[in-house]
Amino acid sequence: QQQVKQSPQSLIVQKGGIPIINCAYENTAFDYFPWYQQFPGKGPALLIAIRPDVSEKKEGRFTISFNKSAKQFSLHIMDSQPGDSATYFCAASLNQGGKLIFGQGTELSVKP
Amino acid sequence: DVKVTQSSRYLVKRTGEKVFLECVQDMDHENMFWYRQDPGLGLRLIYFSYDVKMKEKGDIPEGYSVSREKKERFSLILESASTNQTSMYLCASSLIGLALGEQYFGPGTRLTVT
Repeated sequence: QQQVKQSPQSLIVQKGGIPIINCAYENTAFDYFPWYQQFPGKGPALLIAIRPDVSEKKEGRFTISFNKSAKQFSLHIMDSQPGDSATYFCAASLNQGGKLIFGQGTELSVKP
Repeated sequence: DVKVTQSSRYLVKRTGEKVFLECVQDMDHENMFWYRQDPGLGLRLIYFSYDVKMKEKGDIPEGYSVSREKKERFSLILESASTNQTSMYLCASSLIGLALGEQYFGPGTRLTVT
């Protein structure tokens, strides 16, 4: 019940495409859902986050869509660029922070 | 800028050795975390600490221990390294009470146990 399941494990898109990464959770008590971005040789860094009282959040080319009834959330990257090539992790937590439970990660490659 | 540093980027140890991984953060954060990252498994929490001398087990604490004697420093200890502990180890820190709970990560230590 504490797991967060992420798919796909890897994704290849052409420049300008819209990659979509999906996550699903079981614990309805989760109240904070961040996405982290990790470049090779670096630690993950917070990209964007959402709380369950909204269905969508957009920051620049990155959008989180949240479906509370389905217990799913997803990351969309508009007009993807080669510089977006990285590993993306979704996560969830209780009590708006503190301990995070991460998904399995998605390795995204954007081809020029 | 928050900075989280880890003592080594790469480490090679032999089976049975005692291994220390050090993490230091410079932003006076209360929370500190140790994760291991393995392909297909994501980031799994080993231990975390909410304050000096306080620690709590994460999801995979077996074979590990931690020490937090000072607020800025959090050490991960492998008492007797085994080959199944070959992994990337990531340290993170965050503020207590920060509404969005952002964690700041170090660059990681890639540990190989032979």
